[in-house]
Amino acid sequence: IQMTQSPSSLSASVGDRVTITCRASQSISGYVDWYQQKPGKAPKLLVYTASTLQSGVPARFSGSGSGTDFTLTISSLQPEDFATYYCQQSYTIPFTFGPGTKVDLK
Amino acid sequence: EVRLLDSGGTLVQPGGSLRLSCAASGFTFDKYAMSWVRQAPGKGLEWVSAISGSGDSTYYASSVKGRFTISRDNAKNTLYLQMNSLRAEDAALYYCAKSPFGGVIVPFDYWGQGTLVTVSS
Repeated sequence: IQMTQSPSSLSASVGDRVTITCRASQSISGYVDWYQQKPGKAPKLLVYTASTLQSGVPARFSGSGSGTDFTLTISSLQPEDFATYYCQQSYTIPFTFGPGTKVDLK
Repeated sequence: EVRLLDSGGTLVQPGGSLRLSCAASGFTFDKYAMSWVRQAPGKGLEWVSAISGSGDSTYYASSVKGRFTISRDNAKNTLYLQMNSLRAEDAALYYCAKSPFGGVIVPFDYWGQGTLVTVSS
């Protein structure tokens, strides 16, 4: 299963609403997870099974979607949110990741 | 506190072998599946391999199947990745990762700090 993400990068300001899209090459029900990665750090789990927020993750992050199309939304971008975001399908092995979306400061 | 400590990465020649380790603490190790995920320099994430909590079931990406072997020693709370016939394209930062739920492999709620494998002559 191939995962694509759009956009590949975006520039935004603090307080902006940001939406990242992930598309699977076939239906994967709701089996998508989202990770945030900052430079030099391991990825951090944000959302799993499309819309369940991982414990400790701020409520400004949310996920939605099913089938082939999924979104990660940051309702009000904070300075600590500038990072690269990856989706991953957890439907079947191999658990493929999307290529990432880099969010930087406008 | 859950901790995963990756080690074993180094410079190795093409065709060579290497064993990575991941020392786990802060949770009941044998109740959780574990995985290895790699990231080539400046690139995205690639899931490499996974193993069940008991060690009875193993899974591999096609890019490493037949060359890499995942294993675990539950008495030592340690995960391993034996890497043979290494290629230039295997060069990456290798992370071990844990699932938050017993019995399933994904998602990954805790990650090691990564250990760097360089493949070059």
